[in-house]
Amino acid sequence: DGGITQSPKYLFRKEGQNVTLSCEQNLNHDAMYWYRQDPGQGLRLIYYSQIVNDFQKGDIAEGYSVSREKKESFPLTVTSAQKNPTAFYLCASSIAGSGRRNTGELFFGEGSRLTVL
Amino acid sequence: EDKVVQSPLSLVVHEGDTVTLNCSYEVTNFRSLLWYKQEKKAPTFLFMLTSSGIEKKSGRLSSILDKKELFSILNITATQTGDSAVYLCAVESNSGYALNFGKGTSLLVTP
Repeated sequence: DGGITQSPKYLFRKEGQNVTLSCEQNLNHDAMYWYRQDPGQGLRLIYYSQIVNDFQKGDIAEGYSVSREKKESFPLTVTSAQKNPTAFYLCASSIAGSGRRNTGELFFGEGSRLTVL
Repeated sequence: EDKVVQSPLSLVVHEGDTVTLNCSYEVTNFRSLLWYKQEKKAPTFLFMLTSSGIEKKSGRLSSILDKKELFSILNITATQTGDSAVYLCAVESNSGYALNFGKGTSLLVTP
């Protein structure tokens, strides 16, 4: 079945450690996104990628890094520079192809809940 | 700066009630407005609206867009406990690359 897989679902880390969240899709979508969700805050965009080997900062990119070496994969690293990393992280993808600026419907993974102790 | 505002932020109703969720927006070069339902983890797509005044319907859920007044409503009739979820509104612009989400409305339907 086509879809988006995020791992791990739950992650505990000590303060000061970098962590990497995995996101893989087999929908053949060009565009991928990372959102952060905090209680009462809705979804806030961290990074997005419209095409392989290219990505752009979203609204809250500080303390995060990404890579897009393969179409199927868009891992997110939460670095020690992120001041408040405890949150629910959602990865998404959309069909939007090269040269197409618009997003359309997003398909979401099940999320990764990161808790920093 | 683009803005999406949902109201109310939370709502508790009894089974069988009808609810209306609101979403107002300010966005440069509007393209579409989308509604998602989030029960536990992954938001699931409900509707995409691009034209004013055309109602989209799926079972007990319906939604409509007013591009003049810059808002959309999501109606749920004869609510059931399974409708309990966070409902997210998002707006897409022709000049952007990603959806801009509101804070969501948390709906609880009690038996």
